[in-house]
Amino acid sequence: AQTVTQSQPEMSVQEAETVTLSCTYDTSESNYYLFWYKQPPSRQMILVIRQEAYKQQNATENRFSVNFQKAAKSFSLKISDSQLGDTAMYFCAFFVYNTDKLIFGTGTRLQVFP
Amino acid sequence: NAGVTQTPKFQVLKTGQSMTLQCAQDMNHEYMSWYRQDPGMGLRLIHYSVGAGITDQGEVPNGYNVSRSTTEDFPLRLLSAAPSQTSVYFCASSPRTSGRTGELFFGEGSRLTVL
Repeated sequence: AQTVTQSQPEMSVQEAETVTLSCTYDTSESNYYLFWYKQPPSRQMILVIRQEAYKQQNATENRFSVNFQKAAKSFSLKISDSQLGDTAMYFCAFFVYNTDKLIFGTGTRLQVFP
Repeated sequence: NAGVTQTPKFQVLKTGQSMTLQCAQDMNHEYMSWYRQDPGMGLRLIHYSVGAGITDQGEVPNGYNVSRSTTEDFPLRLLSAAPSQTSVYFCASSPRTSGRTGELFFGEGSRLTVL
């Protein structure tokens, strides 16, 4: 069975600083995708970043980047220059190619302080 | 652009009552799904559909029914609500045949309270 683990229920960071959220997953498959979704207080789920497992290069989206370690089955999210608007719940998610299920972790609540 | 629309946004039910959460998308997506979100448990898949007339169970299907008569609509039915079904429900869709990357487009969620 595929599982996603986020071991940090809550984190905090000061504005303009850098924070890293951890995610590990378990699968025996070789073709899959990994995601980070953001859920602000508005409750809307927003895609932050996506990583294809076959790509060795780490994905980046502006201030958001990932550290994808396939052998270790680790997929951490780094937020640089944190902003107050980054305050949200962050979910790591995992999708095996040719399946129909996106599996989510339990989430990390991030608070950005001024 | 409407995207994925869920109704109602909020609902309070009494134990044993039935109701339907509506979900509609205007993006011609083949894939639609329902998740529930509970504190400390993330999002868990209830049911999903890969096209009109096709549905399948996810991780937590008990107590819920779905149908997919059109590409646009994917309602979630609670036949006899229980307090354990108090949760926030999300409908999500994706263009299943477009690379099948797993990226989902979410509705705004529906908060359901069962007393």
